[in-house]
Amino acid sequence: DVKVTQSSRYLVKRTGEKVFLECVQDMDHENMFWYRQDPGLGLRLIYFSYDVKMKEKGDIPEGYSVSREKKERFSLILESASTNQTSMYLCASSLNPQGSEIVDTQYFGPGTRLTVL
Amino acid sequence: DQQVKQNSPSLSVQEGRISILNCDYTNSMFDYFLWYKKYPAEGPTFLISISSIKDKNEDGRFTVFLNKSAKHLSLHIVPSQPGDSAVYFCAGGSQGNLIFGKGTKLSVKP
Repeated sequence: DVKVTQSSRYLVKRTGEKVFLECVQDMDHENMFWYRQDPGLGLRLIYFSYDVKMKEKGDIPEGYSVSREKKERFSLILESASTNQTSMYLCASSLNPQGSEIVDTQYFGPGTRLTVL
Repeated sequence: DQQVKQNSPSLSVQEGRISILNCDYTNSMFDYFLWYKKYPAEGPTFLISISSIKDKNEDGRFTVFLNKSAKHLSLHIVPSQPGDSAVYFCAGGSQGNLIFGKGTKLSVKP
């Protein structure tokens, strides 16, 4: 079974604080992703990584950065938290099988509910 | 521009009947599609997928149908159970990346 774990289920921070969200997967997956989920907006991609030390911007990268120093770990950093970053943050990983039309299923962690006051 | 659309924000079904969740897409480059189920305060759980070269995939009570000419897919749940009550997301995928719809909240009433 694929296991994706996130460091915290609930987090409360103050405006301006630096926030670290950690994600670890145990299936030797190549790809890792950070999303945020907000009511009525679905899941929106913040950043993703195809390999160690590689990172790519998703649809909403502003205000965030990421770090992938080890294959199994992908961290999301809020440099200076703001109230509009209050959200559910979801980490996912996938294997990255080669070949088109081969389904590359993403497996999600339990999520971190972040509240910024 | 929404590439994946779930036009019904909610759906209510009686226990034992069929639930049909719909999804439309505009991007012809998707190689595969997935359905996820999400309970409140939890991460999405993978349900079922379909490659773009197929038109049907079945797994137990769940069947996904893909109509490429109409750029439409649907998830059928038969029979529906109260534990199926959740938000369902469809997603289109290509080269490892997924684009999600906004979700449909399914309520299965006993």
